[in-house]
Amino acid sequence: AAGVIQSPRHLIKEKRETATLKCYPIPRHDTVYWYQQGPGQDPQFLISFYEKMQSDKGSIPDRFSAQQFSDYHSELNMSSLELGDSALYFCASSLGLAGAYNEQFFGPGTRLTVL
Amino acid sequence: KNEVEQSPQNLTAQEGEFITINCSYSVGISALHWLQQHPGGGIVSLFMLSSGKKKHGRLIATINIQEKHSSLHITASHPRDSAVYICAVIYDGSEKLVFGKGMKLTVNP
Repeated sequence: AAGVIQSPRHLIKEKRETATLKCYPIPRHDTVYWYQQGPGQDPQFLISFYEKMQSDKGSIPDRFSAQQFSDYHSELNMSSLELGDSALYFCASSLGLAGAYNEQFFGPGTRLTVL
Repeated sequence: KNEVEQSPQNLTAQEGEFITINCSYSVGISALHWLQQHPGGGIVSLFMLSSGKKKHGRLIATINIQEKHSSLHITASHPRDSAVYICAVIYDGSEKLVFGKGMKLTVNP
């Protein structure tokens, strides 16, 4: 069965550069969630989209922006990168907003290293 | 203070042992996930629960909604079960996951 796809899987950037992470949800899934997991930390919710509209927002820096496109894939754009942005970035997808009946399925993550 | 508490934080077991990982949370939820993460790796969803009990192979997950508590049991543990096990919840009225800090399990042969 098709899973959530993230690209790239690994990314190395310099401070102050820009990075774009992509997430392709499971086919027919219309909801995407982005999470950030710093070294030794538990994942933290960044932002989510449902039917191409932002549905919730967490602790996402103003330097980051995201959107969901007409084919439901999502991109997380990160500008003015800082060393502290080095983390594993997961996306998850669900059919409808996640809850008791709609499970989130996780992608493999993109490991971003800022030098 | 993390709203999702897991215990123990670390556990070392011998192959074949029965293992229990606990999770408690503070307010009403619509769903609870048990997740597995190998070192440097992605997250795999083991179970999603909103009530009762689920079983998959050697893994059993239970939840007690009244007591706001869930457990993940691993029977006949194996070294390949070594990973971090994370409990994550979706609070009522939300759709985002709130994660516990995870429990690092090491199963020795």
